[in-house]
Amino acid sequence: EPEVTQTPSHQVTQMGQEVILRCVPISNHLYFYWYRQILGQKVEFLVSFYNNEISEKSEIFDDQFSVERPDGSNFTLKIRSTKLEDSAMYFCASSDVGRGANVLTFGAGSRLTVL
Amino acid sequence: AQTVTQSQPEMSVQEAETVTLSCTYDTSESNYYLFWYKQPPSRQMILVIRQEAYKQQNATENRFSVNFQKAAKSFSLKISDSQLGDTAMYFCAFGGDNNNDMRFGAGTRLTVKP
Repeated sequence: EPEVTQTPSHQVTQMGQEVILRCVPISNHLYFYWYRQILGQKVEFLVSFYNNEISEKSEIFDDQFSVERPDGSNFTLKIRSTKLEDSAMYFCASSDVGRGANVLTFGAGSRLTVL
Repeated sequence: AQTVTQSQPEMSVQEAETVTLSCTYDTSESNYYLFWYKQPPSRQMILVIRQEAYKQQNATENRFSVNFQKAAKSFSLKISDSQLGDTAMYFCAFGGDNNNDMRFGAGTRLTVKP
């Protein structure tokens, strides 16, 4: 069964450092997403990406965040200058349709720890 | 804005018994989709079941079924014949037709006891 893969599974970084989280969505999917889950809390939407541009973003997704699809397979989330409160599990997801009908397939997540 | 509320932070059930997890939501949209996702200790998010709001018939997937009450904006998940592998966090989620961001509830931690 096709799956979304994420790397790294766990990253530890110092506050103020840049971090790039990588995702390989399912190959025939067109919509890509990043979600965040702070430990013990709900899953929160960060950003959706379609046709090589951001289609929607939440208030969490401020100027320190950016996303990119540098080639035909990878979808990356960059955090420019990490803060302690960025420590969370970051989930990438993809879907073949957009809007409410989208059934998201999630990756296993990347755990980010900011010290 | 849409909100999703799961009022049961934790629940437990004996193996082979039935358990129902509650979810309510708020929206002004007429067409939308509702989902239950499971997050086992591995932390991966796995789709359990999906319901289209325009369908009156409740969705079922093997031991999992929903009770969708559109007027009451309620979407509960029933797990029959609970198995130890059902132990996980369960998230209710809402997908509106006007946007791409899926909204999640706070989750219910379900423990299936032997």
